Amino acid sequence: KAGVTQTPRYLIKTRGQQVTLSCSPISGHRSVSWYQQTPGQGLQFLFEYFSETQRNKGNFPGRFSGRQFSNSRSEMNVSTLELGDSALYLCASSHRDRPYEQYFGPGTRLTVT
Amino acid sequence: QQQVKQSPQSLIVQKGGIPIINCAYENTAFDYFPWYQQFPGKGPALLIAIRPDVSEKKEGRFTISFNKSAKQFSLHIMDSQPGDSATYFCAASKTGGGNKLTFGTGTQLKVEL
Repeated sequence: KAGVTQTPRYLIKTRGQQVTLSCSPISGHRSVSWYQQTPGQGLQFLFEYFSETQRNKGNFPGRFSGRQFSNSRSEMNVSTLELGDSALYLCASSHRDRPYEQYFGPGTRLTVT
Repeated sequence: QQQVKQSPQSLIVQKGGIPIINCAYENTAFDYFPWYQQFPGKGPALLIAIRPDVSEKKEGRFTISFNKSAKQFSLHIMDSQPGDSATYFCAASKTGGGNKLTFGTGTQLKVEL
């Protein structure tokens, strides 16, 4: 079974631009969560989607948003990029029957210049 | 507020040694405690997890010890190998909190020959 895939793997954007990151969960997994990983703040929860509905949200500004499609694929969007948004963005998926077992993708490395 | 505190920040052991990584949590509502292993350039991988109703869980060379009264849990790696060199994260989540994981700050482990 294929793992969680994230595209693109690397991205360089300029301050003020917006960016969209994509995540395809493991087949059969309907929950998708997003995390931001930085050296200073570590791994921080952004939001979680289940069956196209946002079920949980972390403490990030409204510039960070997401959505989930009917095939469970998810996207996250960051608008008006700031230098501090440079990070590894990780997506994790889990199965409905074992919701706590989250499986992470390789991440998208975003660099904001 | 850092709800999961992890120590040490880094650890060096000799091959065959038993590194121990400790975590402490504050929120007594947490009821699921996983450990993740992350190699450079990769997403975190679920290693082993425990719930508060047991004091110890073993999977292969990895053991979690859990002390509910002290609100602490630890990861022991038996017969450590150079291939175990990675960053380890403890985490916690709670029923009703969706799939949100609260992570510790990570421990960089190096196993030397």
